Amino acid sequence: EADIYQTPRYLVIGTGKKITLECSQTMGHDKMYWYQQDPGMELHLIHYSYGVNSTEKGDLSSESTVSRIRTEHFPLTLESARPSHTSQYLCASSEYGVGTGELFFGEGSRLTVL
Amino acid sequence: TQLLEQSPQFLSIQEGENLTVYCNSSSVFSSLQWYRQEPGEGPVLLVTVVTGGEVKKLKRLTFQFGDARKDSSLHITAAQPGDTGLYLCAGARGAQKLVFGQGTRLTINP
Repeated sequence: EADIYQTPRYLVIGTGKKITLECSQTMGHDKMYWYQQDPGMELHLIHYSYGVNSTEKGDLSSESTVSRIRTEHFPLTLESARPSHTSQYLCASSEYGVGTGELFFGEGSRLTVL
Repeated sequence: TQLLEQSPQFLSIQEGENLTVYCNSSSVFSSLQWYRQEPGEGPVLLVTVVTGGEVKKLKRLTFQFGDARKDSSLHITAAQPGDTGLYLCAGARGAQKLVFGQGTRLTINP
């Protein structure tokens, strides 16, 4: 059973609000990732981190930002939410690189921006 | 242009039937993973295949990696309602980049 947690699970907010999606893992993994998932579409990598104070943008351009101050914590922030940000956001971690190791996913945060 | 194409996108069959889901690409991958995602949950890894032509079995599920490492298939024998879910294939391009297909949503009717 994966020890990676996301909060909130569901969030409905108005346009212009600032939101932070929390992600924590207790497995001591250095590598953490944020994916965006829309119905019928592939998971898109929006941010990743290979360790504390290391963050990179993924393949899909995103207006969100991330931080990695502690190994176990990888929050995602939207400064001003818009309806186009409505999506499911999945956090994941891995012990090894994605090519050789398993990705452990959280249960997801479903964001709806009105 | 999608790098990994999964087919079919939707599949609804009766309990006890067999089925095959495909994951195709024109690109070569160093490895390929299959995940299953249930409603309200994150994806969970089922298997990783690494060698061209490799076949792995997980109970009633059989996974195959194409000889050229560009495609993969998932075959389920005697499907059960518990097999219902979204099946995702993901190809690795080296150690750090993972590309996902759009998924096959499978429904097994009792």
